[in-house]
Amino acid sequence: DAKTTQPNSMESNEEEPVHLPCNHSTISGTDYIHWYRQLPSQGPEYVIHGLTSNVNNRMASLAIAEDRKSSTLILHRATLRDAAVYYCIPVPGRGGADGLTFGKGTHLIIQP
Amino acid sequence: NAGVTQTPKFRVLKTGQSMTLLCAQDMNHEYMYWYRQDPGMGLRLIHYSVGEGTTAKGEVPDGYNVSRLKKQNFLLGLESAAPSQTSVYFCASSRPGSIINEQFFGPGTRLTVL
Repeated sequence: DAKTTQPNSMESNEEEPVHLPCNHSTISGTDYIHWYRQLPSQGPEYVIHGLTSNVNNRMASLAIAEDRKSSTLILHRATLRDAAVYYCIPVPGRGGADGLTFGKGTHLIIQP
Repeated sequence: NAGVTQTPKFRVLKTGQSMTLLCAQDMNHEYMYWYRQDPGMGLRLIHYSVGEGTTAKGEVPDGYNVSRLKKQNFLLGLESAAPSQTSVYFCASSRPGSIINEQFFGPGTRLTVL
C-alpha cells in the first residue's frame, strides 16, 4: 500500500483559504487520491478524489502534482465547521471492496 | 434516508464479557466494513463483506467475528472482550463497481472494556 505523509496539524483563520498538503510518493499509477475528513465525534466523510487532473466540487478543490507524488486539498473559504481531521488516502481504481487505509491525518484548526 | 446507523452508541463491558454491535444501512449497498479507531490514530479495517452471506478479514481481525445475514445489516461480535478492544468502532458501506468507492460511515460506537 502507498504511504502518505501529512502535517500533524495546521491552523487557519475563518474565511481564509486553506491548503492541506499530502505526500504520496509511492502511489501506484492506477490509484486514485481520495480525501476524507472527520468532524469531532463523527465518522469520516468523503470530500473529493482525483487521478491526474485537478478537481473541484462543492466542498473543496484538489490539486494533483504532475508527477502524482503529492496533492493539495484546498478549502477556498474556511469556516468554523471545517475544523476536522483531514485524511489523504490512495485508493485502487478498480471499484472493489477495498478498505480505506487511514493515516493520522492533519488536524485543521480554524480560528474565528 | 438514514444512511448508516450503528447500535449502541456507547457501551461499557467487563473483561471477558461478550457483545454484538449492529450496523444497518438503507442505501442498498453491497459492500460493508467495520473499522476501529484508537485515540489519536486513523481508522483500521477489522472485517468487511462484499455481499449477503460473505465476510472477509481486514487488517486487525483477531478477537472479532462478523456476520452478514441480511444485505442491509452487518454485525460485529466480541466473544470475550479485552481492554485492548477499548476503541471507537465505525461501520461503513459502499456500492460495487464505482471507481470512486465512496464509503459512507456511521456515527460510531464508543466501547470501553474494563
